[in-house]
Amino acid sequence: GENVEQHPSTLSVQEGDSAVIKCTYSDSASNYFPWYKQELGKRPQLIIDIRSNVGEKKDQRIAVTLNKTAKHFSLHITETQPEDSAVYFCAANTGGFKTIFGAGTRLFVKA
Amino acid sequence: DVKVTQSSRYLVKRTGEKVFLECVQDMDHENMFWYRQDPGLGLRLIYFSYDVKMKEKGDIPEGYSVSREKKERFSLILESASTNQTSMYLCASSLSGWTSGDNEQFFGPGTRLTVL
Repeated sequence: GENVEQHPSTLSVQEGDSAVIKCTYSDSASNYFPWYKQELGKRPQLIIDIRSNVGEKKDQRIAVTLNKTAKHFSLHITETQPEDSAVYFCAANTGGFKTIFGAGTRLFVKA
Repeated sequence: DVKVTQSSRYLVKRTGEKVFLECVQDMDHENMFWYRQDPGLGLRLIYFSYDVKMKEKGDIPEGYSVSREKKERFSLILESASTNQTSMYLCASSLSGWTSGDNEQFFGPGTRLTVL
């Protein structure tokens, strides 16, 4: 079955710096890769996703890249702000019902 | 706006008790999911359902069962709670699984279960 590995588990950056979170997946049939953000004490919420027919997608300060050959995908946050502090989960889906999540990255943005 | 609600935010039970966690969504979503969230392990799928009365095992179904008698409601049952089931339980729903465009999952607020 699908396995998703996520690194790093913890990331600390200075406000204004960039943050990068990387994930790898095992099932080459995966074609949908969402990223969820979970603020402290709150529910996970989708922040961006990418499908296998594109290599990059941007939404303001957030971008996601996908390398299908290497089975890698990454989340890039530029100009980080304290409100970006949260746990971020990557995930992979083969187009069916089941989404496999990574273990999460706890991002700290220091003011 | 999708609303996914869970019956309790915090729950304390004793070992051996039968525990019911309920989840309700109000957007007519086909799929519903139960996850447990533990530090360092991310979100692990316990069970999911893609239709009324249908259920499929996830990655960690042992010690759990589920029920989906109505489309909007998905219940997680711990037949005999054990201390290793102390965790945060998250319910989620999604529109459908048939096309990749409908896979976004909407989560409930979570139930923190402590088994003593």
